[in-house]
Amino acid sequence: DARVTQTPRHKVTEMGQEVTMRCQPILGHNTVFWYRQTMMQGLELLAYFRNRAPLDDSGMPKDRFSAEMPDATLATLKIQPSEPRDSAVYFCASGSGRMNTGELFFGEGSRLTVL
Amino acid sequence: AQRVTQPEKLLSVFKGAPVELKCNYSYSGSPELFWYVQYSRQRLQLLLRHISRESIKGFTADLNKGETSFHLKKPFAQEEDSAMYYCAPPEGGFKTIFGAGTRLFVKA
Repeated sequence: DARVTQTPRHKVTEMGQEVTMRCQPILGHNTVFWYRQTMMQGLELLAYFRNRAPLDDSGMPKDRFSAEMPDATLATLKIQPSEPRDSAVYFCASGSGRMNTGELFFGEGSRLTVL
Repeated sequence: AQRVTQPEKLLSVFKGAPVELKCNYSYSGSPELFWYVQYSRQRLQLLLRHISRESIKGFTADLNKGETSFHLKKPFAQEEDSAMYYCAPPEGGFKTIFGAGTRLFVKA
């Protein structure tokens, strides 16, 4: 049963520290999405990749967030420096990229708490 | 861009009552839409998709092009239906923006 894997599952850090979240998409999927989930905003799209190329990261605060796909099996989301308002659950999802029929497969999320 | 709107952040119903979670879309063409569900502390997962015209866990959703809606319905809610529900277009060539989500709370 192929699944999207995210690490860490939980992270508590202090304001100003660097945070890196990792995602292993399902093998063979060519789209990867990063979402942030909060009570107030729901599920916000931060960035997405197709065939490892970043297609849109307009939902991401550029001054502190960065997203990369160093290879097809790894996507990273980095926050530097972190702030308390970044506290949220961050989800990675991957898809097959099929037009108009594709579902997204989500990881279990990384719960980030910035003190 | 394809956009979906879920007007209700919270919906509370009693067990056995009918439930309808609203979703409206704002793009033209032949839309394809999905409903995802997130149970407590679990990952989001696909509940059902319009193209399949299926019923999953008693839920159905009909695409109404006149009203541009894709509401999720269940005639008799169960406590285990309590979850977060998201409406979304499919991915594939464009960014997938989810609705804000509706938290369904089914009371005993």
